[in-house]
Amino acid sequence: TQLLEQSPQFLSIQEGENLTVYCNSSSVFSSLQWYRQEPGEGPVLLVTVVTGGEVKKLKRLTFQFGDARKDSSLHITAAQTGDTGLYLCAGSNYKLTFGKGTLLTVNP
Amino acid sequence: NAGVTQTPKFRVLKTGQSMTLLCAQDMNHEYMYWYRQDPGMGLRLIHYSVGEGTTAKGEVPDGYNVSRLKKQNFLLGLESAAPSQTSVYFCASSYGTGTSQPQHFGDGTRLSIL
Repeated sequence: TQLLEQSPQFLSIQEGENLTVYCNSSSVFSSLQWYRQEPGEGPVLLVTVVTGGEVKKLKRLTFQFGDARKDSSLHITAAQTGDTGLYLCAGSNYKLTFGKGTLLTVNP
Repeated sequence: NAGVTQTPKFRVLKTGQSMTLLCAQDMNHEYMYWYRQDPGMGLRLIHYSVGEGTTAKGEVPDGYNVSRLKKQNFLLGLESAAPSQTSVYFCASSYGTGTSQPQHFGDGTRLSIL
C-alpha cells in the first residue's frame, strides 16, 4: 500500500503570512498532483509535477517535487483569505493515491 | 461547462434501505471513479471503471456495487445501507491513467444513514 503523509493536518494563519505544507511518502511516484478543495465542492487540480526536482509556480503558489520523487511541498507567499481550503496531494502510479490533506484557514 | 455532475446532492436513508448515486460526465473521458471522503480519512477509492462495460474494485469496495452501461455515466449502488456508509461521495473522471492525467471531480453527494 502506497501511503502519502501530509503535514500539518491543520494550519491557521493571518493574511499576508507565508506557509509551507508537505507531502511525504516512502514510495516513488511517477508524478504528483496537488488539488484544492473548498467547502461543499469537489477537489480541483492545481498542478502536476512529473520530474524529480521540478519546481512549478502558480502565481503565489510554488510547488516542488523531491529529487527522489517521494515527496513534495507547496509554499504559499503572502497568503490571502481566498487561499482557505483543503489542500490534497495525490501520487500517481497509474492510480492516484491521495493524502489526507492539510486544512488551511487564512484569517483576515 | 457541466463537467462532472452528481445526483442527488443530499440524501438521508434509513438503515437497510437501498439507493443509487448517479454520476454523469460530458468530457468523453474513458476513466471514472467513485470515492468516499470521511473526516481524518481523506479520499478513499471505492470502485473505478476504465471504460464502458468494465468496473474494478478500489480500496474500500465492500457494501457497494457499480455499473458503467454508458460511457458518460457511472452509477454507485448501496443495496442495504449501513450507518458506516454515512459519508460524502465524490465521482471523478479522467482521460486516462497516464502519469499526468488529472481527475475532474463532481461536487459530491452528502449521504446520511440513520
